[in-house]
Amino acid sequence: GESVGLHLPTLSVQEGDNSIINCAYSNSASDYFIWYKQESGKGPQFIIDIRSNMDKRQGQRVTVLLNKTVKHLSLQIAATQPGDSAVYFCAENFNQGGKLIFGQGTELSVKP
Amino acid sequence: GAVVSQHPSWVICKSGTSVKIECRSLDFQATTMFWYRQFPKQSLMLMATSNEGSKATYEQGVEKDKFLINHASLTLSTLTVTSAHPEDSSFYICSARAGTANVLTFGAGSRLTVL
Repeated sequence: GESVGLHLPTLSVQEGDNSIINCAYSNSASDYFIWYKQESGKGPQFIIDIRSNMDKRQGQRVTVLLNKTVKHLSLQIAATQPGDSAVYFCAENFNQGGKLIFGQGTELSVKP
Repeated sequence: GAVVSQHPSWVICKSGTSVKIECRSLDFQATTMFWYRQFPKQSLMLMATSNEGSKATYEQGVEKDKFLINHASLTLSTLTVTSAHPEDSSFYICSARAGTANVLTFGAGSRLTVL
């Protein structure tokens, strides 16, 4: 199957600080990207998405940046809270309604 | 919003037995469902795409005879792990897409432990 099977990198931040989680995607033809949050023992939860014709999209406390030139995606979380502690995955979709392929993931730990 | 339910949430079985995991879309019709597998501290690996009324499409390296997928209705897909072995122990997660929508809604996952 596809996807990366490496162990997760970790990011530790202080409560109240901003967090930046990065992701490199694989297919230059991908046209839609999603960030998911996964808490321990649970399924992924949708956070925010962005289409390839955009380079930035903002949500509540979260911002996604897309750099198609280097196939890079980032998720910025403002004023990080302990409840944000989880694993964050980017996912790419490269045809309408097609399969979603997940990136490596980053484990975010928020220190109170 | 869209809700996907998985059952069971956890199961322990003996080596050599078969286990069935159900994935239901509760408030929408899912023409396509996806099954993922996740080992501890790793990413989600796509196993197969389940299409209502037709055969599933398996990813490279996934044994279709071992991981049987049935998508007999627009609200139910099942994954059967046949002749399970300890190395099949994993977290299995399904997701569903309504029509051609891009966003996938995920179930809570099913943790399989094979003794």
